Amino acid sequence: GAVVSQHPSRVICKSGTSVKIECRSLDFQATTMFWYRQFPKKSLMLMATSNEGSKATYEQGVEKDKFLINHASLTLSTLTVTSAHPEDSSFYICSARPREVWGYTFGSGTRLTVV
Amino acid sequence: TQLLEQSPQFLSIQEGENLTVYCNSSSVFSSLQWYRQEPGEGPVLLVTVVTGGEVKKLKRLTFQFGDARKDSSLHITAAQTGDTGLYLCAPYSGGYQKVTFGTGTKLQVIP
Repeated sequence: GAVVSQHPSRVICKSGTSVKIECRSLDFQATTMFWYRQFPKKSLMLMATSNEGSKATYEQGVEKDKFLINHASLTLSTLTVTSAHPEDSSFYICSARPREVWGYTFGSGTRLTVV
Repeated sequence: TQLLEQSPQFLSIQEGENLTVYCNSSSVFSSLQWYRQEPGEGPVLLVTVVTGGEVKKLKRLTFQFGDARKDSSLHITAAQTGDTGLYLCAPYSGGYQKVTFGTGTKLQVIP
């Protein structure tokens, strides 16, 4: 079946540094990918829509300069958390829709801890 | 934004018990999906309900779409520890539209 691979699964970084998270569609092309953020025991909050070859579309309240999204190929989208602070610590998840699936496939998520 | 309220927010039950969780909205949906998310993982699609009044079964899980296509329920029979997770509903209209999830129900099944 279609797989979305997310890397890294866990990352710890120092406050003020930047962290890049990768989301790859392994056996299908994805012109659109989605990035979510999840707080403990809470639902997924949509952050942005990543569009291949064009600018991402951010949800209201999401800082585009803080969360940089690049979708340079049909199989890869990256989310860079810039100048990370402890409040950016969270679980980040990406998703994409394989053509043959009536729904979305999700990556396994990235646990970001900013210390 | 179509707001989906799920209830209960948290549920802790003994193995073997039955349970029902709900997904409600004031909006009408063309279809609705249920996902389950296990701790530390991404959500996994369980089912899509499309027709008002539709009932779909997935082993011990029974999904129902409301007649007016505004709400849905998930009933689990004889819960098992493997059913533990966060259950999420989300509207789906096909295509590659963004998905906004409901508030979620966190289920814990105790052995």
